[in-house]
Amino acid sequence: SQQGEEDPQALSIQEGENATMNCSYKTSINNLQWYRQNSGRGLVHLILIRSNEREKHSGRLRVTLDTSKKSSSLLITASRAADTASYFCGAGSYQLTFGKGTKLSVIP
Amino acid sequence: DSGVTQTPKHLITATGQRVTLRCSPRSGDLSVYWYQQSLDQGLQFLIQYYNGEERAKGNILERFSAQQFPDLHSELNLSSLELGDSALYFCASSDGQGSTGNTIYFGEGSWLTVV
Repeated sequence: SQQGEEDPQALSIQEGENATMNCSYKTSINNLQWYRQNSGRGLVHLILIRSNEREKHSGRLRVTLDTSKKSSSLLITASRAADTASYFCGAGSYQLTFGKGTKLSVIP
Repeated sequence: DSGVTQTPKHLITATGQRVTLRCSPRSGDLSVYWYQQSLDQGLQFLIQYYNGEERAKGNILERFSAQQFPDLHSELNLSSLELGDSALYFCASSDGQGSTGNTIYFGEGSWLTVV
């Protein structure tokens, strides 16, 4: 069964706007990792947040984790056309399980 | 470049055949993970090896098998292939078992097309 489940399935925004994607999971986890995938390519690691952390930042990325709600969010600020990709959250303890991703389109 | 190397990048084969996908993990990484990505099923965890031993099993079919060798490279064997096995197969690696939250790095994948 899927652990990380991303929402929404698709998101379309204008360049410069912020993009927020959500992730829910079912059982307790050790960590949650966000990835970006350009069409047909490999998953690029963006950020890891551990279960005892609530928020992490990396450049234009901000990730939050709410273990009581079993959910996480990824915020991309000041989006660029190059951010167009699918975004996945992997949740788990020893290995990560993923949902089907959020397809983000940033319109120039 | 994640440092995880997968070969071949593309593979076309007929139904009923057997193929082997190869993965070299990042230098020093002891864990190797295999994932299957298809349009309808999304990204599915198949199996994990840690330092040569099977660590966890996911949605791996009985027709599929994997192993990790002493030099830590891994192979995923897919046999009696069906059209539905057409997918992008990823290998990933991390430097630990994953219990402490090690970053997991993915390769570029092997595209398998079964015709």
